[in-house]
Amino acid sequence: EAGVVQSPRYKIIEKKQPVAFWCNPISGHNTLYWYRQNLGQGPELLIRYENEEAVDDSQLPKDRFSAERLKGVDSTLKIQPAELGDSAVYLCASSSPYELTGPSSGANVLTFGAGSRLTVL
Amino acid sequence: QKEVEQNSGPLSVPEGAIASLNCTYSDRGSQSFFWYRQYSGKSPELIMSIYSNGDKEDGRFTAQLNKASQYVSLLIRDSQPSDSATYLCAMRFSGGYNKLIFGAGTRLAVHP
Repeated sequence: EAGVVQSPRYKIIEKKQPVAFWCNPISGHNTLYWYRQNLGQGPELLIRYENEEAVDDSQLPKDRFSAERLKGVDSTLKIQPAELGDSAVYLCASSSPYELTGPSSGANVLTFGAGSRLTVL
Repeated sequence: QKEVEQNSGPLSVPEGAIASLNCTYSDRGSQSFFWYRQYSGKSPELIMSIYSNGDKEDGRFTAQLNKASQYVSLLIRDSQPSDSATYLCAMRFSGGYNKLIFGAGTRLAVHP
């Protein structure tokens, strides 16, 4: 079974330029997450999708960040314009529906993709 | 107060010893806890999950949960150099279904 696929793996851009990241979750995983991980820190949730609906985007900097998940499968995360402080690893993760498995089930644990490392110069 | 707190380390242990990693959390309603291992330059991978008070063992790994003290730990027995990584503690936020909140991670170094 293919895991969570992300691209590009690495991206170097100059500040004020736009950048986009793409994620393909595990087949059947309705829940998709975008996390940002700064060096030496744990992943920080940016946005969570249940199917095509963004159900938690409270930590997404909406002035420059946008995300979409058309058709409830693949997702893209865009930054425009990028700032120096956006340099980080952008992690996509997916899980099976919480509602079907409950809080004590291991079936809805998150599986991460390899990440997209962004460097803004 | 951070929602999930971990000592950043590094925690240095000799090969063959027991490594003990600790985590405290603030959300009393949380029921689900996870330990992820992250090698340098790689993405986090799940190694343990625990939902009930007490111990849960899986091979060389033992997760311990004490909900009254809001404390989760991970023990690694017979530590190997290949265990050297950052260990991330995570909890499922009680108010947000599938929202997983991570600590900053503890870096473990196992030396021969």
